Amino acid sequence: RKEVEQDPGPFNVPEGATVAFNCTYSNSASQSFFWYRQDCRKEPKLLMSVYSSGNEDGRFTAQLNRASQYISLLIRDSKLSDSATYLCVVRGGYQKVTFGTGTKLQVIP
Amino acid sequence: GAVVSQHPSWVICKSGTSVKIECRSLDFQATTMFWYRQFPKQSLMLMATSNEGSKATYEQGVEKDKFLINHASLTLSTLTVTSAHPEDSSFYICSASGETQYHYNEQFFGPGTRLTVL
Repeated sequence: RKEVEQDPGPFNVPEGATVAFNCTYSNSASQSFFWYRQDCRKEPKLLMSVYSSGNEDGRFTAQLNRASQYISLLIRDSKLSDSATYLCVVRGGYQKVTFGTGTKLQVIP
Repeated sequence: GAVVSQHPSWVICKSGTSVKIECRSLDFQATTMFWYRQFPKQSLMLMATSNEGSKATYEQGVEKDKFLINHASLTLSTLTVTSAHPEDSSFYICSASGETQYHYNEQFFGPGTRLTVL
């Protein structure tokens, strides 16, 4: 089993739709969780950290489920500019960082 | 805040030469820097993790004698690809992690360096 798993997609959704991605991780001792977005041929950019209590930033909501070992990202009212690859990042002890392979989102006009 | 620069942004070199890539945290002190490699249409692959003043920790399968990492200060890390070959052509991205006013534990990425070895 991979340390961090994501559905690669692509998720093709119309503008205005709500879309959700999940990411599962195998190491129950993982400490920190993040969502990054990466545009084609660019570096990843931090979208949001994921806190145990869940957190929201505008149209984006991130949640952590430690019991089932997954994190989720919900995007409401999708915009064309949301089209990108969304990377799940899990950080464990000794600063070990693992990236998921990413989920590609394409928002269609 | 939390800006990371990388230089050069792209480089083309002949096979057998060495290439040095610099990664700088511009407005915060990076206690840890990470080096990644990304091949087309693939995920980021962590190559090594370095803490300031310490030897880098390399991931399995990454040759430490080929990819030399130096993290001499809290704002600068360098990756030297020694005796580069065409199979080393890739997108190399660094990231930095440290405590800033608003962020703790997140990584901030440099813009990447596209290396092409002829």
